[in-house]
Amino acid sequence: GAVVSQHPSRVICKSGTSVKIECRSLDFQATTMFWYRQFPKQSLMLMATSNEGSKATYEQGVEKDKFLINHASLTLSTLTVTSAHPEDSSFYICSARDRQGGSQPQHFGDGTRLSIL
Amino acid sequence: KQEVTQIPAALSVPEGENLVLNCSFTDSAIYNLQWFRQDPGKGLTSLLLIQSSQREQTSGRLNASLDKSSGRSTLYIAASQPGDSATYLCAVGGGGNKLTFGTGTQLKVEL
Repeated sequence: GAVVSQHPSRVICKSGTSVKIECRSLDFQATTMFWYRQFPKQSLMLMATSNEGSKATYEQGVEKDKFLINHASLTLSTLTVTSAHPEDSSFYICSARDRQGGSQPQHFGDGTRLSIL
Repeated sequence: KQEVTQIPAALSVPEGENLVLNCSFTDSAIYNLQWFRQDPGKGLTSLLLIQSSQREQTSGRLNASLDKSSGRSTLYIAASQPGDSATYLCAVGGGGNKLTFGTGTQLKVEL
């Protein structure tokens, strides 16, 4: 089945550091990928939609200069948390949908646990 | 704005019991509805996807139904096992392939 690989799985770093998270579709091409954020015991909240070859679309309240998204190929999207602070600590999950669309479900990565000290 | 609610928030059942998880949504103009499983600290595993034109989907011991007009979906788990313990999330698919997630039901199946 379709596999989405997310890397790294866990990051612990100091406040002020920028952190890059990668999301790869391993056996299919994805023109669209999605980035979610999940706080403890809460559900997933969509942050932005990553579009291959064009700018990402951010949800209301999400700072685009804070969360930089690059979708340079049909199999890779990256999320960079710039100058991260403790309040950015969260679980970040990406998903991708096969470009063939239709009735294809979204496939999710295993997530990245980000902890800012 | 679409809102998705899941009831109950938590559920504990003995092994072997059949159970039903509920999901309701406020806007019936959906493209599809998807049920996921999430283990602690992990990503999501897709369980079932129901298109808006469908009434139900089945996979093994799982059966999901969809009543779009009333804004409801149920996930039925037959003969529950300890390995079914996880958080179950329903997500409603809308325009732009966006998913709106519910609050989740934390299931514990006890020996």
